[in-house]
Amino acid sequence: NAGVMQNPRHLVRRRGQEARLRCSPMKGHSHVYWYRQLPEEGLKFMVYLQKENIIDESGMPKERFSAEFPKEGPSILRIQQVVRGDSAAYFCASSPKTSYDNEQFFGPGTRLTVL
Amino acid sequence: SQQGEEDPQALSIQEGENATMNCSYKTSINNLQWYRQNSGRGLVHLILIRSNEREKHSGRLRVTLDTSKKSSSLLITASRAADTASYFCATPTQGGSEKLVFGKGTKLTVNP
Repeated sequence: NAGVMQNPRHLVRRRGQEARLRCSPMKGHSHVYWYRQLPEEGLKFMVYLQKENIIDESGMPKERFSAEFPKEGPSILRIQQVVRGDSAAYFCASSPKTSYDNEQFFGPGTRLTVL
Repeated sequence: SQQGEEDPQALSIQEGENATMNCSYKTSINNLQWYRQNSGRGLVHLILIRSNEREKHSGRLRVTLDTSKKSSSLLITASRAADTASYFCATPTQGGSEKLVFGKGTKLTVNP
């Protein structure tokens, strides 16, 4: 059973370009979370999705950022018109259901560098 | 504001010694989770302790939880160089999305 997969692992973009980050949850998991980590910091929640639905996007900037989790295929975090401040590691986590424990399994992350 | 705050921020010990990291949180919780992150890598789930548990063991790891003080500790016994990593505590928000709220972490260095 493969773990959470993210690609690309490293992404370099110039200011103003678009960044697309993909996350394939663990098999059987229908809940996906995206987190961002700045250097020397902990992870900060961005968005929580279930298949075809955004459940909580309270941690995601209102502009330039969007996320989706279609019926088929991976979850996508999209950042339009990237700026240097978007440089960070972006982690995806999946969970089988909103259980009492809510254990989340993390992917290896995508490290975004904006030049 | 941070839900979980770990201390110390950095800890350097010799191989074979024990390492203790602490975490404090602000609101009531259903559980508290500890994760490890090796440099430049993803997070690995170490252990989950529920609010009705006081202590939990997993191999060389021992986690305690004191809900009256809103604090938890992670003890790594007989540390190894491979334990060098950052350690984070995280608590799920109650109700709704149950997203995890992380502290800034403790950076542990185990010297051979």
